[in-house]
Amino acid sequence: GQNIDQPTEMTATEGAIVQINCTYQTSGFNGLFWYQQHAGEAPTFLSYNVLDGLEEKGRFSSFLSRSKGYSYLLLKELQMKDSASYLCARNYGGSQGNLIFGKGTKLSVKP
Amino acid sequence: GAGVSQSPSNKVTEKGKDVELRCDPISGHTALYWYRQSLGQGLEFLIYFQGNSAPDKSGLPSDRFSAERTGGSVSTLTIQRTQQEDSAVYLCASSLSSGGYKNIQYFGAGTRLSVL
Repeated sequence: GQNIDQPTEMTATEGAIVQINCTYQTSGFNGLFWYQQHAGEAPTFLSYNVLDGLEEKGRFSSFLSRSKGYSYLLLKELQMKDSASYLCARNYGGSQGNLIFGKGTKLSVKP
Repeated sequence: GAGVSQSPSNKVTEKGKDVELRCDPISGHTALYWYRQSLGQGLEFLIYFQGNSAPDKSGLPSDRFSAERTGGSVSTLTIQRTQQEDSAVYLCASSLSSGGYKNIQYFGAGTRLSVL
């Protein structure tokens, strides 16, 4: 199978740090993606990891451990506009381009 | 255009009717994907076009669903004899290619299909 697991919902406070975890099956792995989706809008690309380690991009960072089939998205200095769903996705496998998505983590940022 | 364009943005149809959804990808992107997103569910892969290769139709839920991509650009997703369970947001995405960072997909705003 190609299950991707991530928490359904999370709540955090404005200005804080939140970590959203994602686990996936490692067979045929060739890249891990994070997308942000505001309600009623299209997913927008946040980050791509293919090697182990942390990729930092402003307030957002993404981590990958290929051996553990594990990734996380770290959001710092949370802002109200960060309230959205965060989608973890991996490539299907091999040379196929389609992505397998988790169901998303709905993050609510409270004042 | 600057981004992926989809039309219509909303479509309401009666059960049993056929519908066509259109996607115009980012210029220069060779790969095009259709997904659908039902309430509370993750994005579900439907079909994938890469250049001039035969499309990967492995995600299509039934033979009522089909898609074409003309001239390596615009794509149309057709649903025949629509059913209420087809109600969802249909999202189109495109990417430079299908390997590594070139597989980063950019999404259109989607078509919200409601079957009454």
